[in-house]
Amino acid sequence: DAGVIQSPRHEVTEMGQEVTLRCKPISGHDYLFWYRQTMMRGLELLIYFNNNVPIDDSGMPEDRFSAKMPNASFSTLKIQPSEPRDSAVYFCASSSTRGLPFREQYFGPGTRLTVT
Amino acid sequence: QKEVEQNSGPLSVPEGAIASLNCTYSDRGSQSFFWYRQYSGKSPELIMSIYSNGDKEDGRFTAQLNKASQYVSLLIRDSQPSDSATYLCAAVMTTDSWGKLQFGAGTQVVVTP
Repeated sequence: DAGVIQSPRHEVTEMGQEVTLRCKPISGHDYLFWYRQTMMRGLELLIYFNNNVPIDDSGMPEDRFSAKMPNASFSTLKIQPSEPRDSAVYFCASSSTRGLPFREQYFGPGTRLTVT
Repeated sequence: QKEVEQNSGPLSVPEGAIASLNCTYSDRGSQSFFWYRQYSGKSPELIMSIYSNGDKEDGRFTAQLNKASQYVSLLIRDSQPSDSATYLCAAVMTTDSWGKLQFGAGTQVVVTP
């Protein structure tokens, strides 16, 4: 079975540019999570969706960040405009509440973002 | 106070020995706990989940849960160099019924040959 798929795997961009990260969750999973990981702050939850609906976006750092989930198999995280402090690894994860295992989250390979 | 706390390490373990990792959590009502392994430059990989008090074994890994003490641990038996990684403890907080996980900062384990 395919796991969580993320693209691109690496992104290098200049300050001020728009960045779009993409995620395809595991088929059948009804939860999707976006995380950011840095050495200083560790793994931070940015936003999560249930059945394509955003549930909690309190972790989104600023209005420059936005996320959408137009359907059950696709989500995007957009940063506009990007800043050097946005440099991090961004992970997407998904989980299912149907049956067991319950609430186990499975992570994608991540997107390493570098903003110069 | 952080909701999930772990020693950052590094925890140095001789090859073949038992590595013992500890995690405490602040939400007494938490019911679901997870251990993730993260190799450098890779994504977190789920290795254990535990929901009931006691021990749960899977291969060389044993997770232990003590809800009264709000304590979760992970034992790695017969440690191998390939076990060198950062181990993240995570818990579902009762303040959130939607499945959001609270992660600890992680414990770095170094297995020395």
